[in-house]
Amino acid sequence: KAGVTQTPRYLIKTRGQQVTLSCSPISGHRSVSWYQQTPGQGLQFLFEYFSETQRNKGNFPGRFSGRQFSNSRSEMNVSTLELGDSALYLCASSLGGSGAYRGYTFGSGTRLTVV
Amino acid sequence: SQQGEEDPQALSIQEGENATMNCSYKTSINNLQWYRQNSGRGLVHLILIRSNEREKHSGRLRVTLDTSKKSRSLLITASRAADTASYFCATDGSGNTPLVFGKGTRLSVIA
Repeated sequence: KAGVTQTPRYLIKTRGQQVTLSCSPISGHRSVSWYQQTPGQGLQFLFEYFSETQRNKGNFPGRFSGRQFSNSRSEMNVSTLELGDSALYLCASSLGGSGAYRGYTFGSGTRLTVV
Repeated sequence: SQQGEEDPQALSIQEGENATMNCSYKTSINNLQWYRQNSGRGLVHLILIRSNEREKHSGRLRVTLDTSKKSRSLLITASRAADTASYFCATDGSGNTPLVFGKGTRLSVIA
């Protein structure tokens, strides 16, 4: 079956612009989580969506937002980009049930560079 | 905190040797998982061990529990050059808490 698809793979944006990243999870997976990975901070949790609802949120400013559609595809948006937003953004999908096996399947990521 | 912390930060071994990485955490966790990441790519799930399991095997991977240190070790036996990657442990608490990742161990296997 198809894996987790993230688009685009690479992106270069200018400070102050906004960007939208997309993630299509594995078919049947209802949970999508987003992480920001930088060399200094490692993998930082952004948010998780389950059945179109934000179920968990990390400690990021309001410039970072997301949503999930009825087909479980998810988008995240970053407004008013800053240089520090340069990172690899990873999306992970899982079945999402609590208390059960919750291994994540990750996409290849979107490499965002802010100049 | 729930976040696991891996040690060592970097490990360099010869092909054929075993590699051991530790993940320690401060609070109670539900599951502990290990992931591998090749340079700049997405993470690949390796193995999951539940809080009530002492040991788990998967191929050349073995995860063991050290309750006194609140840590779980990942052992990769008979390492290969292809095992060169970063390895992350991830923990979650009860309910629907998100997975929290440590900063990883960078493993280099020299042929």
